[in-house]
Amino acid sequence: QVQLVQSGAEVQKPGSSVKVSCAASGGTFNNSVFHWVRQAPGQGLEWVGRVIPVFEGAKYAQKFRGRVTISADKFTATIYMELSNLKLEDTAVYYCARSRSPMSTSDGFGTWGQGTLVTVSS
Amino acid sequence: SSVLTQPPSVSVAPGKTATITCGGDNLGVKAVHWNQQKPGQAPVVVIYYGSDRPSGIPERFSGSISGNMATLTISRVEAGDEADYYCQVWDSGDDHVLFGGGTKLTVL
Repeated sequence: QVQLVQSGAEVQKPGSSVKVSCAASGGTFNNSVFHWVRQAPGQGLEWVGRVIPVFEGAKYAQKFRGRVTISADKFTATIYMELSNLKLEDTAVYYCARSRSPMSTSDGFGTWGQGTLVTVSS
Repeated sequence: SSVLTQPPSVSVAPGKTATITCGGDNLGVKAVHWNQQKPGQAPVVVIYYGSDRPSGIPERFSGSISGNMATLTISRVEAGDEADYYCQVWDSGDDHVLFGGGTKLTVL
């Protein structure tokens, strides 16, 4: 049973950075496709990007390029998302999720983390 | 970049059939998935690749794709089906994931 456990809620000031973690257990970590998705209050889902631990580099939605870094620690089986230069509109619940099939970037997300609320406030 | 269009809301009486649509370019040749999200919870996938139902999802949930439209059908709707539903597509051209705007299903 694959499980994703995310770090706790964060409150950050505009212009600062936040780093959210997602610890994976069960399944094969290195070949999995991990995604980050965010949801602003009362709004829909928005894809931020993804990483496949066995490969170097990540893929990002154009909207976040230059401000987001998604990384994977193969030793601790943990995924990270760091968002810099935070704006008020970055306030959202950030979810990590794992594609159902290994190495499949087109597959649906079979497992989701519980979500991490990031609040950006001055 | 592609856009996925969903109706903001759908209402249905218990026991009836709910139909939620997702419109986008050439969906018939894309990987389309459907997610259900109940208030305060993370999303859960209910349909993979247009019509494949994962284990644990009731047979009342089904999906189809034709041309530029994907459809999620929920038969014999129950109060517990009340949720937001999001279609999801992998755009192979840009190699990124898109979500529809979501549809709020209300059970009357």
